[in-house]
Amino acid sequence: DAGVIQSPRHEVTEMGQEVTLRCKPISGHDYLFWYRQTMMRGLELLIYFNNNVPIDDSGMPEDRFSAKMPNASFSTLKIQPSEPRDSAVYFCASSPGPFNEQFFGPGTRLTVL
Amino acid sequence: DQQVKQNSPSLSVQEGRISILNCDYTNSMFDYFLWYKKYPAEGPTFLISISSIKDKNEDGRFTVFLNKSAKHLSLHIVPSQPGDSAVYFCAYTRDDKIIFGKGTRLHILP
Repeated sequence: DAGVIQSPRHEVTEMGQEVTLRCKPISGHDYLFWYRQTMMRGLELLIYFNNNVPIDDSGMPEDRFSAKMPNASFSTLKIQPSEPRDSAVYFCASSPGPFNEQFFGPGTRLTVL
Repeated sequence: DQQVKQNSPSLSVQEGRISILNCDYTNSMFDYFLWYKKYPAEGPTFLISISSIKDKNEDGRFTVFLNKSAKHLSLHIVPSQPGDSAVYFCAYTRDDKIIFGKGTRLHILP
């Protein structure tokens, strides 16, 4: 298995633009997680899905953030409109159980100018 | 309010010696503590975990100790190797939550 795949690896955009981050989890994993990593706040869980259903989105910072999982092999995290304070590394992870060992993707480094 | 605190942002240890990474927590209720290791430009990878009913778990060079009365967790790496240079995150899980610390950067010196 190729592991968790994220795209793009790097994204530079201007304030106000829409940003879409993509994730392909490991096949057979029922749980998918989106995290954000910043120097100030460390690694924060934004939202997670079980069998494509959002379970906990309490970590989503505000309404500008949304996440979807239309099928078992694909998820998106969208920011609209983007702001400079959204600049961070966004990780997607998947796991067979709720908080078993999670397998992380390589991350997307987002820079909002 | 930081529920999981890694008070040392960085740590330098001589190759071959013991590395001790520490983590303090505030909430007494948890299911598991986990340690993840992260290299630059890569996602974190799972290292070792310990359940709330244990006080020690060992896997090769890595041992995690849990002191529930002190609300303190530590990861021991013996002996330290150059490939151990990375950022280490501790995290705990409780019900449907997972909370990470901010990480400690470990430098293994030659």
